[in-house]
Amino acid sequence: DAKTTQPNSMESNEEEPVHLPCNHSTISGTDYIHWYRQLPSQGPEYVIHGLTSNVNNRMASLAIAEDRKSSTLILHRATLRDAAVYYCILLNNNAGNMLTFGGGTRLMVKP
Amino acid sequence: DGGITQSPKYLFRKEGQNVTLSCEQNLNHDAMYWYRQDPGQGLRLIYYSQIVNDFQKGDIAEGYSVSREKKESFPLTVTSAQKNPTAFYLCASSISIGKHQFFGPGTRLTVL
Repeated sequence: DAKTTQPNSMESNEEEPVHLPCNHSTISGTDYIHWYRQLPSQGPEYVIHGLTSNVNNRMASLAIAEDRKSSTLILHRATLRDAAVYYCILLNNNAGNMLTFGGGTRLMVKP
Repeated sequence: DGGITQSPKYLFRKEGQNVTLSCEQNLNHDAMYWYRQDPGQGLRLIYYSQIVNDFQKGDIAEGYSVSREKKESFPLTVTSAQKNPTAFYLCASSISIGKHQFFGPGTRLTVL
């Protein structure tokens, strides 16, 4: 299975942009890059996903490297409510694979 | 409102007792999943179901059982054979297998 590597934790100041990195050097051509986040004592929530092109939605932006071996989730202006664990996950739709959650990155936002 | 619900939020049981966790969704999703999360860890897949009357074991199915008699319901039973049942249990659903998942609020099970 293709795996991802993320930093254990990151800190940000409120109202500043946050760039959360993810390495996935063994990604295959049909793997989608998904991001979920989990607020304390809640279930994870879907944030964004992409294949090759950068993606934007109301929650975040996803920047995907040209060789697809890494990606970055961008929160444009961090708020205290963005403090959560962020998971970067590869999902191969062709194989119907399951989401595999690693340890994720714990984002702390300082006021 | 469409969504996925789990009940109860907190559950306490004595060691050796079976316990069933509820999961209901009104999103008309075919696929449903159960995960377990231990403190400071990621989620691990227990069981999943692609469609009614079908389910498959995940990575840590031992000591658990499920049923999928209705599309909207996917209850999980934690049996006395599960050696370390105390954990946070999360249910999810997706329109089909491999698509992004919607999660319930979770049930925190404590076995005394």
